[in-house]
Amino acid sequence: AQSVTQLDSQVPVFEEAPVELRCNYSSSVSVYLFWYVQYPNQGLQLLLKYLSGSTLVKGINGFEAEFNKSQTSFHLRKPSVHISDTAEYFCARGDGGATNKLIFGTGTLLAVQP
Amino acid sequence: EPEVTQTPSHQVTQMGQEVILRCVPISNHLYFYWYRQILGQKVEFLVSFYNNEISEKSEIFDDQFSVERPDGSNFTLKIRSTKLEDSAMYFCASSEARGSWVEQFFGPGTRLTVL
Repeated sequence: AQSVTQLDSQVPVFEEAPVELRCNYSSSVSVYLFWYVQYPNQGLQLLLKYLSGSTLVKGINGFEAEFNKSQTSFHLRKPSVHISDTAEYFCARGDGGATNKLIFGTGTLLAVQP
Repeated sequence: EPEVTQTPSHQVTQMGQEVILRCVPISNHLYFYWYRQILGQKVEFLVSFYNNEISEKSEIFDDQFSVERPDGSNFTLKIRSTKLEDSAMYFCASSEARGSWVEQFFGPGTRLTVL
């Protein structure tokens, strides 16, 4: 079965430091990958997505992710975080079948400290 | 900016009671979904809905669950007889088209607590 793994449940980081949130996926012929962010008391908001083409994907709020097929990874990065980036981050993949179903990881809480 | 809304934000119920979770998808979207997240676990797909019928459902979506689009704006999830293990955050989502590459827009979720 297709899966997404986020090994880090929580990542503490100081403000203005760089951060990387890890995501690995199970390999398949076609893969569509997404990062969603959930700020407190809000819905899941799309940060960025990889569908095809360039392996480096840029998203909103200064985030970017790199699709690495050989390592089956799609890690999320930001060179300098702000307090306002504190949120839950979810990696997800499209099922690739004739459905729209998204398969999610368990989420990583990014806790930015002053 | 259009958004998906969900009510209530938090629902507390007794085991065995029926609950209805409500969602208002984005107005021009045609595909609707429910997902849930049990505390500390993954966000899991429950069901997708298109053209007034279920297009796909997961193993979780058993006979206790049903979905409905009672009018042109609302999309509801009903749990007929709640169990303790139904306690979770329930997310509604909608998209304008079908396909694994199409962005789904999520609501803020309803936290269901079954006592």
